[in-house]
Amino acid sequence: DTGVSQDPRHKITKRGQNVTFRCDPISEHNRLYWYRQTLGQGPEFLTYFQNEAQLEKSRLLSDRFSAERPKGSFSTLEIQRTEQGDSAMYLCASSRGKETQYFGPGTRLLVL
Amino acid sequence: AQRVTQPEKLLSVFKGAPVELKCNYSYSGSPELFWYVQYSRQRLQLLLRHISRESIKGFTADLNKGETSFHLKKPFAQEEDSAMYYCAPWDSGAGSYQLTFGKGTKLSVIP
Repeated sequence: DTGVSQDPRHKITKRGQNVTFRCDPISEHNRLYWYRQTLGQGPEFLTYFQNEAQLEKSRLLSDRFSAERPKGSFSTLEIQRTEQGDSAMYLCASSRGKETQYFGPGTRLLVL
Repeated sequence: AQRVTQPEKLLSVFKGAPVELKCNYSYSGSPELFWYVQYSRQRLQLLLRHISRESIKGFTADLNKGETSFHLKKPFAQEEDSAMYYCAPWDSGAGSYQLTFGKGTKLSVIP
């Protein structure tokens, strides 16, 4: 499968713990996006990378959230001191320039 | 503020009946518009991009700039069309690269 992959697919954690998610985009896609989706809502934009540069961040991305794409390939999204309100599906997408965004299967986070 | 509205949370139609999934947007510029679909236990995938003017799986969508709408239509619904559908404008002219998704419409096709 050469599509976008995300790991883990599911994560259960206790409030206050840190979690890290990984996204591997389609190879040669220079753009990578993170979205969050809560129950009954469409995906909401979190942040965007072009190669290794983080070019856009949503106001949803509080200071407890950090994302990296160190070598312009895979990306990680870390949430520190998780809260119950962080429970959601975290989606990653990639694209080649302004072309179609292709989505991964998502990581479902549950904060107890 | 950029806004996209999908007024129907759930739409049920009989197999063979026409389908129209509504999408209205409120943008300052001229966004590009997309429809994404998510079938049960599958990832979100692109269904239509308005600039391509393609018909995918029998679906079409017409951009009406006057009414700021981008409704998705299909003349004869099939059971395999049952899924969540999301309208997503993208205002690339504003220097942003994010898709703004509506809340989605769940289409249920009754056999």
